[in-house]
Amino acid sequence: SAVISQKPSRDICQRGTSLTIQCQVDSQVTMMFWYRQQPGQSLTLIATANQGSEATYESGFVIDKFPISRPNLTFSTLTVSNMSPEDSSIYLCSVGLVAGADTQYFGPGTRLTVL
Amino acid sequence: QKEVEQNSGPLSVPEGAIASLNCTYSDRGSQSFFWYRQYSGKSPELIMFIYSNGDKEDGRFTAQLNKASQYVSLLIRDSQPSDSATYLCAVSTGNQFYFGTGTSLTVIP
Repeated sequence: SAVISQKPSRDICQRGTSLTIQCQVDSQVTMMFWYRQQPGQSLTLIATANQGSEATYESGFVIDKFPISRPNLTFSTLTVSNMSPEDSSIYLCSVGLVAGADTQYFGPGTRLTVL
Repeated sequence: QKEVEQNSGPLSVPEGAIASLNCTYSDRGSQSFFWYRQYSGKSPELIMFIYSNGDKEDGRFTAQLNKASQYVSLLIRDSQPSDSATYLCAVSTGNQFYFGTGTSLTVIP
């Protein structure tokens, strides 16, 4: 597996502001993903972060709201823009180590509360 | 119909018993199957994966896959209080990765 870190681990933000979450991996990985987990719910895939190109978003998620960067094979950021209380959630970064292999490993998550 | 279905529980078992967690999936083309454990307030941790029909054992954990019935299960032998967590079933079709809603397991000392 890989060691995955996320920053910040938690934050409390005001409505209308934006927060950028960082995901750092200790080794180069092929695939990086961003998920959201709302309280008591399962995981919802927001997007696949593609190195060197635009992220691939799932239905219901748009780039203007959740811009994603992936400048290299070890790092990605997710920004939650123009936040509302409905964005309060845990945001998780996950990685796939090998192209074509499915196994995903998760970072520790970022707990976001929007007031 | 959801792609992956799990009984949300809660499932309670006494310490030392076998806990049985079940998962069904809808896409017959699914190729890979995973079990994650998630402690409260923590992120999911991969504990097992299985690709082929039959059983796969790892320590106290056994994953069972039946593709004909579109069914995957996780058995935890000699359950310990530290096994108390939510267990997420995940299924990959090769193009998409789907998570179930999870089953909450409580092991009673």
